[in-house]
Amino acid sequence: AQRVTQPEKLLSVFKGAPVELKCNYSYSGSPELFWYVQYSRQRLQLLLRHISRESIKGFTADLNKGETSFHLKKPFAQEEDSAMYYCALSYGKLTFGQGTILTVHP
Amino acid sequence: GAGVSQTPSNKVTEKGKYVELRCDPISGHTALYWYRQSLGQGPEFLIYFQGTGAADDSGLPNDRFFAVRPEGSVSTLKIQRTERGDSAVYLCASSLRSSGGTTSSTDTQYFGPGTRLTVL
Repeated sequence: AQRVTQPEKLLSVFKGAPVELKCNYSYSGSPELFWYVQYSRQRLQLLLRHISRESIKGFTADLNKGETSFHLKKPFAQEEDSAMYYCALSYGKLTFGQGTILTVHP
Repeated sequence: GAGVSQTPSNKVTEKGKYVELRCDPISGHTALYWYRQSLGQGPEFLIYFQGTGAADDSGLPNDRFFAVRPEGSVSTLKIQRTERGDSAVYLCASSLRSSGGTTSSTDTQYFGPGTRLTVL
């Protein structure tokens, strides 16, 4: 069965500090992985997907099949990055992790 | 252009009542998904439609839950004999298409704002 684990429910950093949001998954096939973000009072939106290998808003995520991880990273966090972040695995439908609330302090 | 819309934004009902939640997907999107998000949890898959047919309803918790999409556009999630445990935010998403099956390519799912259901 598909499973996504985000071990940190809360993560706090200061502006300008590096940030890493952890995501581990279990899946028997070839996974497609995503990071979704939900800013305060906004709807859930796609941040990035592993197959596009893009950097969105300075965030990157590398799929590590050996460690079954898809951690989200940003070298210099900004206050506007404060939000709820969900890692998700797709096989048609999405399986989400429990989410990590990121707070970036000034 | 218009995104996915959901109505109502909030619904309060009493235990045992019947409720309907509506989703209007992005025009032209053939795949439509329903998720449920309980407090402190990530969204959980309920059902998805490809066109008018339910391609996967494995996430529906029991037979009190039912969803339709009769014309391949708007979808309605129906909950009979509501229970307090049904209280959650119900999210709808649509995508241009969905592969399902054995391929790993999936179109981006665009989410609606959700309907917050409270069962008293």
